[in-house]
Amino acid sequence: DTAVSQTPKYLVTQMGNDKSIKCEQNLGHDTMYWYKQDSKKFLKIMFSYNNKELIINETVPNRFSPKSPDKAHLNLHINSLELGDSAVYFCASSQVTLRDTGELFFGEGSRLTVL
Amino acid sequence: QQQVKQSPQSLIVQKGGISIINCAYENTAFDYFPWYQQFPGKGPALLIAIRPDVSEKKEGRFTISFNKSAKQFSLHIMDSQPGDSATYFCAASVGQGNLIFGKGTKLSVKP
Repeated sequence: DTAVSQTPKYLVTQMGNDKSIKCEQNLGHDTMYWYKQDSKKFLKIMFSYNNKELIINETVPNRFSPKSPDKAHLNLHINSLELGDSAVYFCASSQVTLRDTGELFFGEGSRLTVL
Repeated sequence: QQQVKQSPQSLIVQKGGISIINCAYENTAFDYFPWYQQFPGKGPALLIAIRPDVSEKKEGRFTISFNKSAKQFSLHIMDSQPGDSATYFCAASVGQGNLIFGKGTKLSVKP
């Protein structure tokens, strides 16, 4: 059983298109995230949701819109795709306690290529 | 001040050698310092973590050394194996805040 699963694994699309990436976690965690990993492997947080509420929204173009229908799912919709959006997008989840964020469990990533 | 600076960017070590990766931070409020390991085509996974109340933590061949006064922490991999070849990320966070990742170190262990 995959703890954090995201689909699709690969996505190739043209500039200007709209695409979505879906994520589901079966760990019972309250918090889910989207991270972007660029070609140099740099990992940067994009969004964080806790119990379906947006907690963190880093400086990300508003073409990116996360949606959390329930606490086990966090989808990422991207409008008007640009070349610079090409990256690997990772979904992650954690159980946030009073003390800390806790261990992040990552999905296997969705590689987006914009042509 | 939110940055975590990681070095080296890449590292080549012979099998059986010691791999050392260093990280430095500025924000003294950071209170959790994990290391994540990422294999090609996979997501990062937690390897080992430390809090600032201890100076060292060891799990098998992996050790974190933490120097609070210097605001530095490092990962040591003893008896490095080809299977350890991966990208390693240090990270830091404050309480329930999000993790700030270093830029990663690509480790190659030669047989």
